[in-house]
Amino acid sequence: GQQLNQSPQSMFIQEGEDVSMNCTSSSIFNTWLWYKQDPGEGPVLLIALYKAGELTSNGRLTAQFGITRKDSFLNISASIPSDVGIYFCAGARNQFYFGTGTSLTVIP
Amino acid sequence: GAVVSQHPSRVICKSGTSVKIECRSLDFQATTMFWYRQFPKQSLMLMATSNEGSKATYEQGVEKDKFLINHASLTLSTLTVTSAHPEDSSFYICSARDARTRSGALENEQFFGPGTRLTVL
Repeated sequence: GQQLNQSPQSMFIQEGEDVSMNCTSSSIFNTWLWYKQDPGEGPVLLIALYKAGELTSNGRLTAQFGITRKDSFLNISASIPSDVGIYFCAGARNQFYFGTGTSLTVIP
Repeated sequence: GAVVSQHPSRVICKSGTSVKIECRSLDFQATTMFWYRQFPKQSLMLMATSNEGSKATYEQGVEKDKFLINHASLTLSTLTVTSAHPEDSSFYICSARDARTRSGALENEQFFGPGTRLTVL
């Protein structure tokens, strides 16, 4: 199935730093979602975006639905050790298409 | 929030046996559930879409006779891996789509189960 291009593939940052990751596609989506997955667990929804241009925050997380509807980004401000995990974007039409994932490591 | 459970969380079986994995939506109704497979350090790959009361829709390359899906009620879908082989070892994750719609949106949020780790010896 189709996978979305997600970057960066991995990040190693100091605690307190801000993080930015993005997802791009050649296709238009009606919904963009961001998930976090811890090892051995299922993905947990962080933010859902439903309109082009929409900017939504959830605590220290902010995500935007690109105006072209072909991309989205996720920012995490003031990272903490528990932010460690793999972050996946997903674009939705009739089904979900997942990004390739960004592995985040936060160094205390 | 919406909760999806999976059972078992881990299973080890011998080659040639069949394994059934259950996916339940605990506090909402799900007319549609999805089954994904995830290999280590990789993304989720959709295997099939499970629709309550009708046949599942399989993605290209997924054998429907090997991965049997039954969606008998609005809260339960099962995936049976038949005649399992070591290459079937993987992390299987289900998700459920809440049947309620958000105004103006055709797609609903999917809520994921905790996954099932299958190891075939």
